[in-house]
This record gives sequence, structure tokens and C-alpha cells, in this order.
Amino acid sequence: AQSVAQPEDQVNVAEGNPLTVKCTYSVSGNPYLFWYVQYPNRGLQFLLKYITGDNLVKGSYGFEAEFNKSQTSFHLKKPSALVSDSALYFCAVRDRSGGSNYKLTFGKGTLLTVNP
Amino acid sequence: GAGVSQSPSNKVTEKGKDVELRCDPISGHTALYWYRQSLGQGLEFLIYFQGNSAPDKSGLPSDRFSAERTGGSVSTLTIQRTQQEDSAVYLCASSSGQVANTGELFFGEGSRLTVL
Repeated sequence: AQSVAQPEDQVNVAEGNPLTVKCTYSVSGNPYLFWYVQYPNRGLQFLLKYITGDNLVKGSYGFEAEFNKSQTSFHLKKPSALVSDSALYFCAVRDRSGGSNYKLTFGKGTLLTVNP
Repeated sequence: GAGVSQSPSNKVTEKGKDVELRCDPISGHTALYWYRQSLGQGLEFLIYFQGNSAPDKSGLPSDRFSAERTGGSVSTLTIQRTQQEDSAVYLCASSSGQVANTGELFFGEGSRLTVL
């Protein structure tokens, strides 16, 4: 079975400060890891993914995430937050060894609020 | 169309009625997913279609839920004898045959179902 935990329901940061949204995962094999973002009244949008290679992944809008296998984590980060980054963020995982299992398992989401 | 299209965007129904939710995926995408988003519950996987293969129905919560995909394109999610706990946003996503292996999904804006 595969699962994702986002330990914080809400994260609040001041504009210009660095932000981190935490994610830990559990899979039986090696993971594919993803971050998606949902802006108010909008559908989910793909932000970035880790498939293989460099543990530091860079994505859209200046976001990045670091895959840490020993800690089974994939935290989302941004050096300087913008008010427009305020949204609901979802971490997702798929077991690379899942064969025909293409099911993505999502976390419960973390609401990020960036204060001016 | 340019993106994944879902209809209706909002549906209010009475307990016990049947509802149908429609998803039009991105043209050429062979993989189609249905997820359910409830407050505080994150995204719950419901069902996955890939080409002509048998769908993965492992996430359907009860036999009141069913889905079909006609001609490898449009999909309909049907909920029979709706209950109040079925109230949620139902999200559809699609992906191409290649990225289905890595999980970059394109989501519609969802159908918000309210069961009175």
C-alpha cells in the first residue's frame, strides 16, 4: 500500500520569507513523488515531480522540492514567498514498482497562506 | 478542448436520487482518473481507466458508484441513491500514455455535488 502524510493542515508565512510545506510518504518500493497546487476556485495544477536522478527538483513559480530517501520525505520549498502563492498544496506518491498500478495517492493537503 | 472539461460544475440533489457526472478528457489522452475531494479528507481515488484495459475500480466506496468510459474518451461517473455523505467535489483528470507512467495528471475544475 502507498500513503502520503502532510502533517500540517495550515502554514502561514510572511511575504518575502522562505516557506516549507512538509510531506512524508510510504511505498513498498521506490517512489514517484509529486506536488500539485489548487488555487481558490480552480482545478489542481501540476507543480513538480521527482522521478529519478538529482534529489533536488525545481518546478513552476520558483518552487523546489528535495527527495530524501532516508527520511522518506519530499518537502516543498520556496526561498521567498509571494502573496499569490497562497493556495492548497497536495503531495502525491506512486510506487515505481507498482506495475500497472498508475494510481496516485494524495495527501490531505496543506493550506498555505502568505501574509503581506 | 484545451483542458479537461467537467459537467455540471454544480449539482444539488435530494437524498435517494441518482446523479451523473461527466468528464471530457484532453484529446488523445488515454488515461482517465476520477477522484473525490472532501473537506479535510484530501483527494480520494475512485477509479482509473487506461486505454482498452479493464478499469481499476478499487477506490469506489460502494456499489452505488459506477463509471464508464465510452470510446476511450468521455467518462461518466454515476452515483445511485445518493446519500448526504456523497456530498463532495468530484474531480476528473487525464494523462497521455507516456506520462501515465510518471503521473503528471491534468485535472478538470470539478463537479461540486450537494446532497440534501
